[in-house]
Amino acid sequence: GENVEQHPSTLSVQEGDSAVIKCTYSDSASNYFPWYKQELGKGPQLIIDIRSNVGEKKDQRIAVTLNKTAKHFSLHITETQPEDSAVYFCAARNSGGGADGLTFGKGTHLIIQP
Amino acid sequence: EPEVTQTPSHQVTQMGQEVILRCVPISNHLYFYWYRQILGQKVEFLVSFYNNEISEKSEIFDDRFSVERPDGSNFTLKIRSTKLEDSAMYFCASSEQGHDSPLHFGNGTRLTVT
Repeated sequence: GENVEQHPSTLSVQEGDSAVIKCTYSDSASNYFPWYKQELGKGPQLIIDIRSNVGEKKDQRIAVTLNKTAKHFSLHITETQPEDSAVYFCAARNSGGGADGLTFGKGTHLIIQP
Repeated sequence: EPEVTQTPSHQVTQMGQEVILRCVPISNHLYFYWYRQILGQKVEFLVSFYNNEISEKSEIFDDRFSVERPDGSNFTLKIRSTKLEDSAMYFCASSEQGHDSPLHFGNGTRLTVT
């Protein structure tokens, strides 16, 4: 089955700086890669996703890049703000089959220092 | 914005007992899921449900687990003969078009088995 590794486990950045979270996946057939933000006491909330037919996607301060050859994808947050503090999860999915649903990484605790 | 709602927010049960976790997915969504998150660990897929039947399930979803959509709005997860290791946060999610479309998660039910 799919295995997703996520780094770092904790990331502390100064407000206004950029944050980058990286994930690798094992199943070359995976073709859908969402990123979720989880705030304390809440469920994961989708913030951006990318499919394997594109290499980059951007939504305001958030961007995701995908390198299919290397089987890794990254989340980039620019001009970080205090409200960006949360746990971020990457995930991968092979929509063509398999019985594992979305496979999540272990999460990155992003801390924005004022 | 419509959201997935879960009840109760916290459930405490004794080992060996049965529990039912309840979810109301977003009304126009057709695909329903349960995921779980053991404290401090990654979110793990349990089961997906479409057209009144299970479409995928993981190894975690053993014969003690069952899901049901008893009416047009609720989606339930039943765990029989609960074990200590079932203690986790259980998240319900729904989507319009399956795993390739955005999953909307509820805020979870924290299950504590004592």
